[in-house]
This record gives sequence, structure tokens and C-alpha cells, in this order.
Amino acid sequence: KQEVTQIPAALSVPEGENLVLNCSFTDSAIYNLQWFRQDPGKGLTSLLLIQSSQREQTSGRLNASLDKSSGRSTLYIAASQPGDSATYLCAVGLWETSGSRLTFGEGTQLTVNP
Amino acid sequence: KAGVTQTPRYLIKTRGQQVTLSCSPISGHRSVSWYQQTPGQGLQFLFEYFSETQRNKGNFPGRFSGRQFSNSRSEMNVSTLELGDSALYLCASSVTPSYNEQFFGPGTRLTVL
Repeated sequence: KQEVTQIPAALSVPEGENLVLNCSFTDSAIYNLQWFRQDPGKGLTSLLLIQSSQREQTSGRLNASLDKSSGRSTLYIAASQPGDSATYLCAVGLWETSGSRLTFGEGTQLTVNP
Repeated sequence: KAGVTQTPRYLIKTRGQQVTLSCSPISGHRSVSWYQQTPGQGLQFLFEYFSETQRNKGNFPGRFSGRQFSNSRSEMNVSTLELGDSALYLCASSVTPSYNEQFFGPGTRLTVL
């Protein structure tokens, strides 16, 4: 059974700091990995999608890497801002016998202090 | 382009009742998936639909069911509600299953009293 772990569970940083969020998964037979952010009481906003054949993706101040062989992904946030405060979730896409699913980590709750 | 919409946004029900939640995917998306989010269990997969067919199902009791219509809209139903069914129910759509980016709706907050 695929397990996804995110470290740290919570992180508090001053504005302007660069930071790294970590995601690890136990089964490397994934077809993609997606990073989301979730604001309190809201749905998930897609940040970055990395296909299993890719090593990294970038969008603005965000950069995500994927090392499928070691079962790890990192989300790098440059020059953090208070508006980045949210819970960040990673999810791995898996094929199963009859279909597919995303398996999520528990998330990292990020607070960026002004 | 409109995003994924879910109705209703909030629901309060009592134990034993049943509920139907609705999801309209992004135009052109034919795959819809449902997830349950609770503080204790996090995000758990419920169903995956594509072209009106349920392709995959998570580890939930038979009280949880769903369907997809020819216009790709999807509904999920929970019968005989239990207190533990209180959760945020999230719907995601993608062009096709697997590979493609999943886009989530705002969710339906279900409270069972």
C-alpha cells in the first residue's frame, strides 16, 4: 500500500526566507506527483505537476523536484511571502487494477510571518 | 474558463438520513474523482469516473455510491448517514484519468448531527 509522508508537519518562517518542503512515498510505481496548496476551509489549488519521467517543474517562485528511484519530492519556495501561508499537500498518482487514484500526504502547514 | 463547481457548499443532516452531492467538472474534462477530507484521516480517495463508468473505488462502505452523467457531471450519495461521515467532500476533474493535472472544486462541507 502506498504511503506518503510530508516533513515537516508545520513550519513557521519570516517573510523573505527560502524554504523547502519534503514529500516521500513508499512505492515508486507512480505516474505523476502533484503539489497543492489548501487555504483553511477551502478546496485544493494545483501548484505543480511532475510526470514520472520528469525531474523538476518550475512556476514563478516555486520549484518542485522528483526523484522517483528514492521516492522523494521537494517543493522549493523562494522569497516567501505572508500570502504563501497555507497547507501544502503532495499527492502521488497511482495505477490500480481497474483505474487510478491520488494518494495524499498529511500536508505541511506553512506560516510566513511579516 | 469556469473551474470545478460543487453544490451545495454546506449541508447539515442528522444520523440515518441520506445526502446527494453534486460536482460539475471543468468544460471538456471527462474524468471526475471524489475525495473525503477529515482532520483524523486526511484526504481519502472515494471514486474515479470516466465516460459514465466507475473505474476505481476506494475503501469505503457500500453506503457511499456515485455516478457520472453523459455531460460528465457527477453525483455522490451517502445513505444512512453516521456521525463519522462529517467531512469536507472534494471533487476533482481532469481531461482524462491518470497523467493529467487534477483540478479540485471548493468542496461540500457535510455535518452530521
